[in-house]
This record gives sequence, structure tokens and C-alpha cells, in this order.
Amino acid sequence: AQSVTQLGSHVSVSEGALVLLRCNYSSSVPPYLFWYVQYPNQGLQLLLKYTSAATLVKGINGFEAEFKKSETSFHLTKPSAHMSDAAEYFCAVSDPSGGGADGLTFGKGTHLIIQP
Amino acid sequence: KAGVTQTPRYLIKTRGQQVTLSCSPISGHRSVSWYQQTPGQGLQFLFEYFSETQRNKGNFPGRFSGRQFSNSRSEMNVSTLELGDSALYLCASSKTGDLSGNTIYFGEGSWLTVV
Repeated sequence: AQSVTQLGSHVSVSEGALVLLRCNYSSSVPPYLFWYVQYPNQGLQLLLKYTSAATLVKGINGFEAEFKKSETSFHLTKPSAHMSDAAEYFCAVSDPSGGGADGLTFGKGTHLIIQP
Repeated sequence: KAGVTQTPRYLIKTRGQQVTLSCSPISGHRSVSWYQQTPGQGLQFLFEYFSETQRNKGNFPGRFSGRQFSNSRSEMNVSTLELGDSALYLCASSKTGDLSGNTIYFGEGSWLTVV
């Protein structure tokens, strides 16, 4: 069974400051890992994904995440926050052996607040 | 290209009724999956279809069902609605479901309110 823990249901940073959203996973096999963003009244948009290639993954909108197997973590970062980054962020895990049939297991989400 | 389209976007149903939600995947995508999003439980996997076959189902009661048509369009049905079924239902599609080389694209969801 897989699970995802996102530390902090709400994170507040100042505009221009570093964004760090934490995600730890539990999986019996090396997983695929994802970060999605959800803006109000919208669906989910993929920011980036790790599928066993480079451990440092660069995504859209200046976000990146690093897969650390020893720490079972996949934290999301962005060097400089912008007001438009305010949204809900979800970390998700998938079992590669399922071929996608098992779907994604999501964390509870982190609401990112950007202070002007 | 057109994204994942879900209809209806908003609907209100009464307890005990049933509801059918529709999802049109991105053209060429054969895998469709459904998720339920609620404030309390977050995002939960309902089921996944590939080439008209349900390959997996999440931990939901039998009141939740779905199907996929030959054109990859999918529907999900919830019978005997309960207040707790109020949620945002998200549909997602990908080319084959294999997540290593494919991206899952989500629709904007169908907001279901049960009163």
C-alpha cells in the first residue's frame, strides 16, 4: 500500500521568498511521484513528475522537486514566490508496476498563501 | 487540442436519487480514471478504464459504478445518493495509463451537491 504525507495544510510565504512544500511517501516499491496544482474551481494541473530518471525534476512555472530515496521525500521548491502561485498543491504517488491502472494516491494537499 | 471535458459542471440532487456524470477524454487517450474530492477525505481514486475495461477500482461502495465506451468517453454513476456523496468528481485521461511516458490530464470536474 502506498501513502503520501504533506506536512503543513497551509504554508504562507512572502512574495519573492523561497517556496518549500514538503511531501513524504511510503511505498513498497520505487514509486512514481507527482506534484499537481489546483486553482479555485478548477481541475488539477501537473507541475512535474519523477519516473525513475533524474532525481532533480524541473517543472512548469519555475518549480522543481528532488527525489530523495533515503528520506522518502519529494519536496517541491520554487526560488521566488509570485502572487499567481497561490493555490492548492497536491503530492501524489503511483506504483509503476500497475501500469497506471491503480490510479494516483494523493496527499491531503497544502494551501499556499502568498503575502504581498 | 481540446482538454478533458466533463459534464455537467454543477448539479444538485436529492438523497436517494441517482446521478450520471460524463467525461470526454483528450482525443487519442484511451485511459480514463475518476477521482472524488471532498474536504474531509481529499482526493480518492474511484476507478480506471482502458479500452472499455475497468482495470481497477478504489475503495468505494457498489453504488459507484462506471463504464467506458468504444470512443473512450466515460460515464460514472452513483445510485441511491447520500449526503456524503457531495463532492467534486474529477475525470482524468492519458494515452495508455502508463505513467512513465504519459501525462495524466484532469478535467475541471463536476460539482455534485446532494441535499
